[in-house]
Amino acid sequence: GQNIDQPTEMTATEGAIVQINCTYQTSGFNGLFWYQQHAGEAPTFLSYNVLDGLEEKGRFSSFLSRSKGYSYLLLKELQMKDSASYLCAVRDPDSGAGSYQLTFGKGTKLSVIP
Amino acid sequence: GAGVSQSPRYKVTKRGQDVALRCDPISGHVSLYWYRQALGQGPEFLTYFNYEAQQDKSGLPNDRFSAERPEGSISTLTIQRTEQRDSAMYRCASSSDNGQGGSDEQFFGPGTRLTVL
Repeated sequence: GQNIDQPTEMTATEGAIVQINCTYQTSGFNGLFWYQQHAGEAPTFLSYNVLDGLEEKGRFSSFLSRSKGYSYLLLKELQMKDSASYLCAVRDPDSGAGSYQLTFGKGTKLSVIP
Repeated sequence: GAGVSQSPRYKVTKRGQDVALRCDPISGHVSLYWYRQALGQGPEFLTYFNYEAQQDKSGLPNDRFSAERPEGSISTLTIQRTEQRDSAMYRCASSSDNGQGGSDEQFFGPGTRLTVL
Protein backbone atom coordinates (compact mmCIF):
# COMPACT_ATOMS: atom_id res chain seq x y z
CA GLY A 1 0.00 0.00 0.00
CA GLN A 2 0.88 3.65 -0.12
CA ASN A 3 0.66 6.26 2.60
CA ILE A 4 1.77 9.86 2.48
CA ASP A 5 1.36 12.06 5.54
CA GLN A 6 1.70 15.79 5.92
CA PRO A 7 0.20 18.28 8.36
CA THR A 8 -3.22 19.57 7.41
CA GLU A 9 -2.64 23.22 8.22
CA MET A 10 0.16 25.57 9.24
CA THR A 11 0.36 29.27 9.97
CA ALA A 12 3.48 31.40 9.74
CA THR A 13 4.39 35.07 9.80
CA GLU A 14 5.45 37.13 6.83
CA GLY A 15 9.24 37.23 6.56
CA ALA A 16 9.71 34.09 8.64
CA ILE A 17 10.84 30.58 7.71
CA VAL A 18 8.49 27.58 7.67
CA GLN A 19 9.19 23.88 7.25
CA ILE A 20 6.50 21.55 5.91
CA ASN A 21 7.15 17.89 6.60
CA CYS A 22 6.12 14.86 4.59
CA THR A 23 6.51 11.21 5.49
CA TYR A 24 5.79 8.41 3.07
CA GLN A 25 5.45 4.66 2.95
CA THR A 26 5.34 3.25 -0.57
CA SER A 27 6.20 -0.05 -2.19
CA GLY A 28 8.72 1.55 -4.50
CA PHE A 29 10.33 4.96 -4.86
CA ASN A 30 11.50 6.90 -7.86
CA GLY A 31 11.36 10.50 -6.77
CA LEU A 32 9.49 12.92 -4.56
CA PHE A 33 7.85 16.08 -5.81
CA TRP A 34 6.50 19.18 -4.09
CA TYR A 35 3.70 21.14 -5.72
CA GLN A 36 2.12 24.45 -4.76
CA GLN A 37 -1.60 24.93 -5.24
CA HIS A 38 -3.35 28.25 -4.72
CA ALA A 39 -7.04 28.09 -3.96
CA GLY A 40 -9.06 27.36 -7.08
CA GLU A 41 -5.99 26.86 -9.25
CA ALA A 42 -4.00 23.97 -10.67
CA PRO A 43 -1.00 22.54 -8.82
CA THR A 44 2.33 23.92 -10.01
CA PHE A 45 5.70 22.22 -9.69
CA LEU A 46 8.13 23.41 -7.02
CA SER A 47 10.83 20.79 -6.56
CA TYR A 48 12.03 17.26 -7.21
CA ASN A 49 14.26 15.02 -5.07
CA VAL A 50 15.41 11.52 -5.96
CA LEU A 51 18.68 11.35 -4.01
CA ASP A 52 19.20 12.08 -0.34
CA GLY A 53 20.02 15.65 0.53
CA LEU A 54 18.95 19.20 0.06
CA GLU A 55 17.88 20.84 -3.19
CA GLU A 56 17.79 24.62 -3.10
CA LYS A 57 15.88 26.82 -5.49
CA GLY A 58 15.66 30.44 -4.50
CA ARG A 59 13.51 30.90 -1.40
CA PHE A 60 12.41 27.27 -1.53
CA SER A 61 14.46 24.22 -0.54
CA SER A 62 13.48 20.57 -0.37
CA PHE A 63 15.15 17.79 1.58
CA LEU A 64 14.92 14.04 1.20
CA SER A 65 15.92 11.07 3.36
CA ARG A 66 15.02 7.85 1.58
CA SER A 67 16.00 5.63 4.50
CA LYS A 68 13.58 7.49 6.76
CA GLY A 69 10.85 7.97 4.17
CA TYR A 70 10.94 11.66 4.96
CA SER A 71 11.02 14.95 3.13
CA TYR A 72 10.51 18.57 3.99
CA LEU A 73 9.88 21.75 2.08
CA LEU A 74 11.52 24.85 3.51
CA LEU A 75 10.18 28.26 2.62
CA LYS A 76 12.29 31.28 3.56
CA GLU A 77 11.43 34.97 3.69
CA LEU A 78 7.75 34.19 3.59
CA GLN A 79 5.52 36.42 1.52
CA MET A 80 1.76 36.79 1.64
CA LYS A 81 1.55 35.22 -1.83
CA ASP A 82 3.01 32.00 -0.38
CA SER A 83 -0.36 31.31 1.24
CA ALA A 84 -1.40 28.14 -0.56
CA SER A 85 -1.62 24.39 -0.21
CA TYR A 86 1.63 22.47 -0.55
CA LEU A 87 1.35 18.94 -1.91
CA CYS A 88 3.92 16.21 -1.39
CA ALA A 89 3.85 13.52 -4.08
CA VAL A 90 5.82 10.31 -4.49
CA ARG A 91 6.50 8.53 -7.74
CA ASP A 92 6.15 4.82 -7.19
CA PRO A 93 7.03 2.51 -10.08
CA ASP A 94 5.32 -0.36 -8.28
CA SER A 95 1.99 1.44 -8.05
CA GLY A 96 0.53 0.56 -11.39
CA ALA A 97 1.03 -1.36 -14.56
CA GLY A 98 3.62 0.43 -16.63
CA SER A 99 3.40 3.96 -15.33
CA TYR A 100 5.26 6.15 -12.92
CA GLN A 101 2.18 7.79 -11.52
CA LEU A 102 2.33 10.27 -8.69
CA THR A 103 0.67 9.50 -5.38
CA PHE A 104 -0.20 12.72 -3.59
CA GLY A 105 -0.60 13.54 0.06
CA LYS A 106 -3.64 15.49 1.16
CA GLY A 107 -1.70 18.75 1.16
CA THR A 108 -0.72 21.27 3.81
CA LYS A 109 -2.64 24.52 3.80
CA LEU A 110 -0.21 27.30 4.70
CA SER A 111 -1.52 30.65 5.86
CA VAL A 112 0.95 33.52 5.95
CA ILE A 113 -0.09 36.32 8.28
CA PRO A 114 1.29 39.86 8.55
CA GLY B 1 3.60 28.75 -24.80
CA ALA B 2 0.17 27.31 -24.20
CA GLY B 3 -0.30 25.15 -21.15
CA VAL B 4 -2.62 22.25 -20.59
CA SER B 5 -6.20 23.15 -21.34
CA GLN B 6 -9.39 21.39 -20.33
CA SER B 7 -13.00 21.77 -21.34
CA PRO B 8 -15.56 22.39 -20.18
CA ARG B 9 -14.35 24.21 -17.09
CA TYR B 10 -17.66 23.53 -15.37
CA LYS B 11 -20.17 20.79 -16.04
CA VAL B 12 -23.47 20.31 -14.27
CA THR B 13 -25.38 17.20 -15.16
CA LYS B 14 -28.22 15.10 -13.88
CA ARG B 15 -27.69 11.73 -12.35
CA GLY B 16 -27.71 9.00 -14.97
CA GLN B 17 -26.38 11.15 -17.80
CA ASP B 18 -23.08 10.53 -19.57
CA VAL B 19 -20.37 13.20 -19.60
CA ALA B 20 -17.20 13.63 -21.64
CA LEU B 21 -14.33 15.71 -20.35
CA ARG B 22 -11.63 16.90 -22.70
CA CYS B 23 -7.93 17.47 -22.14
CA ASP B 24 -5.56 19.19 -24.53
CA PRO B 25 -1.98 18.59 -23.32
CA ILE B 26 1.07 20.69 -23.97
CA SER B 27 2.16 20.14 -27.56
CA GLY B 28 4.68 17.34 -27.86
CA HIS B 29 4.12 15.92 -24.40
CA VAL B 30 4.26 12.16 -24.51
CA SER B 31 2.65 11.36 -21.18
CA LEU B 32 -0.87 12.29 -20.16
CA TYR B 33 -2.45 11.65 -16.78
CA TRP B 34 -5.98 12.03 -15.44
CA TYR B 35 -6.57 12.78 -11.77
CA ARG B 36 -9.59 13.46 -9.61
CA GLN B 37 -9.30 15.96 -6.80
CA ALA B 38 -11.78 16.36 -3.98
CA LEU B 39 -11.92 19.62 -2.05
CA GLY B 40 -9.12 19.81 0.49
CA GLN B 41 -7.41 16.71 -0.86
CA GLY B 42 -4.50 16.01 -3.15
CA PRO B 43 -5.09 14.75 -6.70
CA GLU B 44 -5.96 11.06 -6.95
CA PHE B 45 -4.60 9.14 -9.94
CA LEU B 46 -7.10 7.75 -12.43
CA THR B 47 -5.29 6.72 -15.60
CA TYR B 48 -2.14 7.24 -17.69
CA PHE B 49 -1.37 7.36 -21.41
CA ASN B 50 1.96 7.04 -23.15
CA TYR B 51 1.26 8.45 -26.60
CA GLU B 52 -2.02 6.80 -27.56
CA ALA B 53 -1.54 3.72 -25.40
CA GLN B 54 -3.42 3.57 -22.12
CA GLN B 55 -0.76 1.96 -20.01
CA ASP B 56 -2.32 2.23 -16.60
CA LYS B 57 -5.98 2.46 -15.69
CA SER B 58 -5.66 1.09 -12.20
CA GLY B 59 -7.11 4.25 -10.65
CA LEU B 60 -10.41 4.27 -12.52
CA PRO B 61 -13.07 3.70 -9.83
CA ASN B 62 -15.29 1.35 -11.85
CA ASP B 63 -16.30 0.44 -15.37
CA ARG B 64 -18.43 3.56 -15.79
CA PHE B 65 -15.18 5.45 -16.23
CA SER B 66 -13.18 5.21 -19.43
CA ALA B 67 -10.59 7.28 -21.25
CA GLU B 68 -9.03 7.46 -24.66
CA ARG B 69 -6.29 9.32 -26.47
CA PRO B 70 -6.69 8.04 -30.04
CA GLU B 71 -4.05 10.16 -31.78
CA GLY B 72 -1.65 10.57 -28.90
CA SER B 73 -2.63 14.16 -28.22
CA ILE B 74 -6.10 15.18 -27.02
CA SER B 75 -7.67 12.88 -24.46
CA THR B 76 -11.26 12.36 -23.37
CA LEU B 77 -12.40 11.02 -20.00
CA THR B 78 -15.93 9.66 -20.20
CA ILE B 79 -18.17 8.91 -17.25
CA GLN B 80 -21.30 6.93 -18.04
CA ARG B 81 -24.47 6.93 -15.97
CA THR B 82 -23.12 9.58 -13.63
CA GLU B 83 -23.80 9.37 -9.91
CA GLN B 84 -23.68 12.09 -7.27
CA ARG B 85 -20.49 10.63 -5.82
CA ASP B 86 -18.75 11.39 -9.14
CA SER B 87 -18.92 15.12 -8.34
CA ALA B 88 -15.35 16.40 -8.11
CA MET B 89 -12.65 18.36 -9.91
CA TYR B 90 -11.16 16.32 -12.73
CA ARG B 91 -7.64 17.35 -13.67
CA CYS B 92 -5.45 16.40 -16.55
CA ALA B 93 -1.66 16.63 -16.51
CA SER B 94 1.00 16.11 -19.14
CA SER B 95 4.74 15.66 -19.12
CA SER B 96 7.48 15.31 -21.68
CA ASP B 97 8.95 12.11 -20.25
CA ASN B 98 7.88 8.66 -21.35
CA GLY B 99 6.77 7.50 -17.92
CA GLN B 100 10.16 6.08 -17.08
CA GLY B 101 11.21 8.52 -14.41
CA GLY B 102 13.43 11.56 -14.35
CA SER B 103 12.74 15.01 -13.09
CA ASP B 104 10.23 15.96 -15.76
CA GLU B 105 7.38 17.40 -13.82
CA GLN B 106 3.73 17.03 -14.64
CA PHE B 107 1.99 20.19 -15.80
CA PHE B 108 -1.58 20.35 -14.63
CA GLY B 109 -4.57 21.79 -16.40
CA PRO B 110 -7.19 24.06 -14.80
CA GLY B 111 -9.56 21.15 -14.33
CA THR B 112 -13.22 20.48 -15.01
CA ARG B 113 -15.53 20.94 -12.03
CA LEU B 114 -18.20 18.24 -12.39
CA THR B 115 -21.40 18.50 -10.40
CA VAL B 116 -23.91 15.67 -10.59
CA LEU B 117 -27.36 16.60 -9.34
